[in-house]
Amino acid sequence: GAVVSQHPSRVICKSGTSVKIECRSLDFQATTMFWYRQFPKQSLMLMATSNEGSKATYEQGVEKDKFLINHASLTLSTLTVTSAHPEDSSFYICSARKTSGGYYEQYFGPGTRLTVT
Amino acid sequence: RKEVEQDPGPFNVPEGATVAFNCTYSNSASQSFFWYRQDCRKEPKLLMSVYSSGNEDGRFTAQLNRASQYISLLIRDSKLSDSATYLCVVNGDTDKLIFGTGTRLQVFP
Repeated sequence: GAVVSQHPSRVICKSGTSVKIECRSLDFQATTMFWYRQFPKQSLMLMATSNEGSKATYEQGVEKDKFLINHASLTLSTLTVTSAHPEDSSFYICSARKTSGGYYEQYFGPGTRLTVT
Repeated sequence: RKEVEQDPGPFNVPEGATVAFNCTYSNSASQSFFWYRQDCRKEPKLLMSVYSSGNEDGRFTAQLNRASQYISLLIRDSKLSDSATYLCVVNGDTDKLIFGTGTRLQVFP
């Protein structure tokens, strides 16, 4: 397996503030990381693909100016939720891709539960 | 048609039972297949990759049928700790992973 950490695990913030979530691959380098969001009883929804050293690729319907992604190194990607609103309350999960010999596997961080009041 | 379809369940089985989950996918060009498990309010954890020849890991066996575009997961000798949601995952056109909505398994004593 592989280890991906995510911080913070839980955050409560007021409407209008910004929240930064960090995702780290601890025992491997990841040129590609992914950010997902999951609402209760629903499947994971991909928000964006984060590529080291280049701009993130956002899925349709995800506002890139609201969800800022930075992948500054091979082990760290950050997601900043700007001007958060209650409807942004969700479970945010990052994932890092580990490649080996032409195959890849994707490992998830433990998630960040965001509550916007 | 959804890109990845699974029976949502729940599957309620006694300890020791054998249970099988199936999953179908729509993109015939998909090359990578996985089963993840997700516990309530936790992140998905990779259970196993699924290879063309099928593969086994302890009590878990995964099979791939490319012609019919389906993937299966067999769990033998179910344990209480196997209770979780099992996610079928397939890579899409741009190599992004597409998740099924999951099949919920509940193992009872």
